[in-house]
Amino acid sequence: SQLAEENPWALSVHEGESVTVNCSYKTSITALQWYRQKSGEGPAQLILIRSNEREKRNGRLRATLDTSSQSSSLSITATRCEDTAVYFCATDEEGGRALIFGTGTTVSVSP
Amino acid sequence: EAAVTQSPRNKVAVTGGKVTLSCNQTNNHNNMYWYRQDTGHGLRLIHYSYGAGSTEKGDIPDGYKASRPSQENFSLILELATPSQTSVYFCASGEGRQDTQYFGPGTRLLVL
Repeated sequence: SQLAEENPWALSVHEGESVTVNCSYKTSITALQWYRQKSGEGPAQLILIRSNEREKRNGRLRATLDTSSQSSSLSITATRCEDTAVYFCATDEEGGRALIFGTGTTVSVSP
Repeated sequence: EAAVTQSPRNKVAVTGGKVTLSCNQTNNHNNMYWYRQDTGHGLRLIHYSYGAGSTEKGDIPDGYKASRPSQENFSLILELATPSQTSVYFCASGEGRQDTQYFGPGTRLLVL
């Protein structure tokens, strides 16, 4: 089973609406990262939130982290068509070798 | 801006043939990674490296070898390609395990 998992599997919204992607993980972490992957491109990091942080913002993006429930969320406000992408969470397992990526949530933003 | 490039961008190979995927980074990062991405599996770690001369096995190393001849270059080698290795391969670099990873644009490999 996945050590990090996003939900829902897919979301569709209209431009201007807000959208939230959730992530659950199964290990003790030092940090959690959110990445976005547009079609035909490699993933690109959006936000890194450390285990001692509860919230992090980057423009229209807001990430939260709850280490007690081992969950995180990424919210995008005032969505635009160019926000259409697959969104991944990635955890840094303590003592692990590298980031562990979930399978992603596909977000579609239509005009 | 971090820069990771991959070549080739697309590759068609025959079963049993040798395939080499190349990755170059200009970030002077110590760590480099090779992932494959398949529908339903997300990104899976194949091999990684902590610096020139080092290679380590990731979660799915079988059928793959890696080479890190310099700080900038990291190659993934399929000695005997199989159709099950048809996938999109991504290279990434980063300062450390906990840090941001910068990904290349990917290589789409089709093994016939």
